[in-house]
Amino acid sequence: DGGITQSPKYLFRKEGQNVTLSCEQNLNHDAMYWYRQDPGQGLRLIYYSQIVNDFQKGDIAEGYSVSREKKESFPLTVTSAQKNPTAFYLCASSVGTGGEQYFGPGTRLTVT
Amino acid sequence: QKEVEQDPGPLSVPEGAIVSLNCTYSNSAFQYFMWYRQYSRKGPELLMYTYSSGNKEDGRFTAQVDKSSKYISLFIRDSQPSDSATYLCAMRGTGANNLFFGTGTRLTVIP
Repeated sequence: DGGITQSPKYLFRKEGQNVTLSCEQNLNHDAMYWYRQDPGQGLRLIYYSQIVNDFQKGDIAEGYSVSREKKESFPLTVTSAQKNPTAFYLCASSVGTGGEQYFGPGTRLTVT
Repeated sequence: QKEVEQDPGPLSVPEGAIVSLNCTYSNSAFQYFMWYRQYSRKGPELLMYTYSSGNKEDGRFTAQVDKSSKYISLFIRDSQPSDSATYLCAMRGTGANNLFFGTGTRLTVIP
């Protein structure tokens, strides 16, 4: 079955700790994306990658970092510099950057 | 002004009703329009994908785009309790990487 997996589903961390969210896809898509969803704000783009070993900042990249060493994988690190890290994080992928985006199930991160 | 405006609802309808969900936008460069359905605590699921103006139908769902008014709609016929979810509109320009999302409309279909 082709799809996008994100793990874990729920993640709890103490303030000041970095945390890495996993995103894997077996759709053979070139482009991958990370979004953050907050109540009443819609989805906001954090980072995207059009191809392996390349990625660009989205609208709210501050306090986040990514890597794209493999086509299938696009992990997101939420660093201690992110002022408001508690949110629902969604990973997506598409055939190319102009294609339809398909989403994973999301990771809910809570930082206390 | 936000790029995409969407009434957050909530919207409650009886089973079998026709539902109309809408978004307005300000950027005339948007060419591709999408509707996603998101169940509680799940990722969004792509429902409809349309290019430029016109209508597209898929089963009980019809997507409508009016570029002259910068207005898009999603109609759901014969609504079912399983349609209860948040519906997100999204759009982008040609060759653009960014999708611009509405905030979502929460729909409840009452049996």
